[in-house]
Amino acid sequence: EAQVTQNPRYLITVTGKKLTVTCSQNMNHEYMSWYRQDPGLGLRQIYYSMNVEVTDKGDVPEGYKVSRKEKRNFPLILESPSPNQTSLYFCASGPTGGTGELFFGEGSRLTVL
Amino acid sequence: RKEVEQDPGPFNVPEGATVAFNCTYSNSASQSFFWYRQDCRKEPKLLMSVYSSGNEDGRFTAQLNRASQYISLLIRDSKLSDSATYLCVVNINNNDMRFGAGTRLTVKP
Repeated sequence: EAQVTQNPRYLITVTGKKLTVTCSQNMNHEYMSWYRQDPGLGLRQIYYSMNVEVTDKGDVPEGYKVSRKEKRNFPLILESPSPNQTSLYFCASGPTGGTGELFFGEGSRLTVL
Repeated sequence: RKEVEQDPGPFNVPEGATVAFNCTYSNSASQSFFWYRQDCRKEPKLLMSVYSSGNEDGRFTAQLNRASQYISLLIRDSKLSDSATYLCVVNINNNDMRFGAGTRLTVKP
């Protein structure tokens, strides 16, 4: 089954404790992206990757890191989480950059205390 | 001004009603346009692309007006299962997909 898998789905953590949200897709897509969704603001892009070893900043990259060592995986790293990073995070992948359909993971709800 | 703006709603309509959502975008260089659907606590999923000539998919019709920089979604004969949040998405360039905050629709019996 074609899918984008994120883990963990739910996480409560404390300020400053490094965490990683994993994202994996099995559709051989070149393009992957991370978004956060906050009430009234819609989805905002954090980072994206056009291919292996190619990543770039989106709208709201501060406080986040990513890596793309393999085509299927695109982890999101919060080196020192803060309460303003409490949000719902979505990973997405697509076959044609950002121009066509995006396939989203089920989301990861993160709370930073 | 936001890149993509939508009326947040909520729109509460009876079954069988016709409902229309509008979305405006600020970047005239925007290249492609989409409507996504997001159910409560779920991930967004593509509903339909929006083409310059307008396009229809069953009960759903999408229109694009490049001169006025807005796109619309019309839902005819609303079903209970249409209840969701509808996201307007504009592609600025190959890497940059901008999402509206969404319009919430509730269809009632």
